[in-house]
Amino acid sequence: DADVTQTPRNRITKTGKRIMLECSQTKGHDRMYWYRQDPGLGLRLIYYSFDVKDINKGEISDGYSVSRQAQAKFSLSLESAIPNQTALYFCATSDGQGVLYEQYFGPGTRLTVT
Amino acid sequence: AQKVTQAQTEISVVEKEDVTLDCVYETRDTTYYLFWYKQPPSGELVFLIRRNSFDEQNEISGRYSWNFQKSTSSFNFTITASQVVDSAVYFCALSTSGNTGKLIFGQGTTLQVKP
Repeated sequence: DADVTQTPRNRITKTGKRIMLECSQTKGHDRMYWYRQDPGLGLRLIYYSFDVKDINKGEISDGYSVSRQAQAKFSLSLESAIPNQTALYFCATSDGQGVLYEQYFGPGTRLTVT
Repeated sequence: AQKVTQAQTEISVVEKEDVTLDCVYETRDTTYYLFWYKQPPSGELVFLIRRNSFDEQNEISGRYSWNFQKSTSSFNFTITASQVVDSAVYFCALSTSGNTGKLIFGQGTTLQVKP
């Protein structure tokens, strides 16, 4: 089984709809991240969390919210989706206690907002 | 400010050619890590390598090699004898001790290897 899973893998939604992307991990890591990928821009950080009670905004948090329901679960919500939120979304985890800041990525969620 | 620049947007080579992907980074932190990730057409991100700022030794892994030069703030990636399966988007990324583990990605380089 994959260490970091994302659901759904693909989603098409309409402008104005609320949508939630979910991320679960079995690595036991404290740190979790949400990134979005747009062509030509690489990956950009939306939100990150160091534990259940510690959530921080990233580079592009406007229009998004998150919830850390448990150490293993980190959800990303689009309260009112708009077309320019069409992108590939990645969840990642890392071990804050480790020496190295390696991040482990989920398989991605391809979101299309029409 | 921290930044990663991959100036090459797209590279196209013929199979068996060698190809180098450039990565230039900016940071004022003295402790940092550099990464390369591969994103094949299927979309997932595949970790390739991690280097820390105190280790400037070049690394070779099969057909892949990495050249880390602090003097020029570069961490370039070379694929020797490229193969069609190397076709992918490649990302260089930076993580610093002052950045609490967040990854800063370059824009990515799309590599197309033609048969």
